[in-house]
Amino acid sequence: EPEVTQTPSHQVTQMGQEVILRCVPISNHLYFYWYRQILGQKVEFLVSFYNNEISEKSEIFDDQFSVERPDGSNFTLKIRSTKLEDSAMYFCASGQGSNQPQHFGDGTRLSIL
Amino acid sequence: RKEVEQDPGPFNVPEGATVAFNCTYSNSASQSFFWYRQDCRKEPKLLMSVYSSGNEDGRFTAQLNRASQYISLLIRDSKLSDSATYLCVVNGDEQGTSYGKLTFGQGTILTVHP
Repeated sequence: EPEVTQTPSHQVTQMGQEVILRCVPISNHLYFYWYRQILGQKVEFLVSFYNNEISEKSEIFDDQFSVERPDGSNFTLKIRSTKLEDSAMYFCASGQGSNQPQHFGDGTRLSIL
Repeated sequence: RKEVEQDPGPFNVPEGATVAFNCTYSNSASQSFFWYRQDCRKEPKLLMSVYSSGNEDGRFTAQLNRASQYISLLIRDSKLSDSATYLCVVNGDEQGTSYGKLTFGQGTILTVHP
C-alpha cells in the first residue's frame, strides 16, 4: 500500500537555526498538508497546499514557516529561525481531494535546544 | 466551545466488550468526518470515514447526526490490539469551504485488557 514518507525521523537543532522537514506524499495525491502535535496535546493544522500554492494556513503558520514543492515528489516545511516552542512532532499528510481522507506520514520529531 | 470535543476517557475495558465513543463539533458547515486512531507517539491512521447514513466496517460502526452535530464510534468484540487513542476529526472551515483543513479532537484513550 502506498504511504507518505517523512525524513528525518528525529531532528535536534539549536534555537535560532533553520530546519527543513521533508515529505514524499502518495504519488497520485493532489493535496498536501502539514500538521504538528506538541507532546500531550492534540494534532493541529498548519497549512494546506494545492496546485503549487498555499490554499489555507493557520495562525501558527507565521512568517517563520514556509512550504515548497521543489519537484514532482517532495514537499518540504521550512522553519527559518526555530524557537523552543517549535518542539513538536510534525506530520505530513496527503489526500486525493480536499474532502477525502488524508494519509499521514510517520512524522518528524523536532527538538529545539 | 471547543471545535471538536470528545469523551475525555480513558476507557478501560475487557477483551470482548463493546465500547462507544462520542464526539461533538461546533462548525455546522463541516463537510466530512472521520475517525482516526493513534498509537503512542505514532501518526494518526485512518480508521473510517463517517457518513450521514451511518456506516460499518467489521467490528466498527460510525454514526453522524448533522442536526445535533454529533459523531459516534462503536467498537464491538474489543481486541487487545484496539488499545489506542481514538481521534474524532472534522473537515471544513466556518465558511463552508474546504481545502482539507482537518480539526482534531483531543482524543479518547482506550485500553483493552485480557
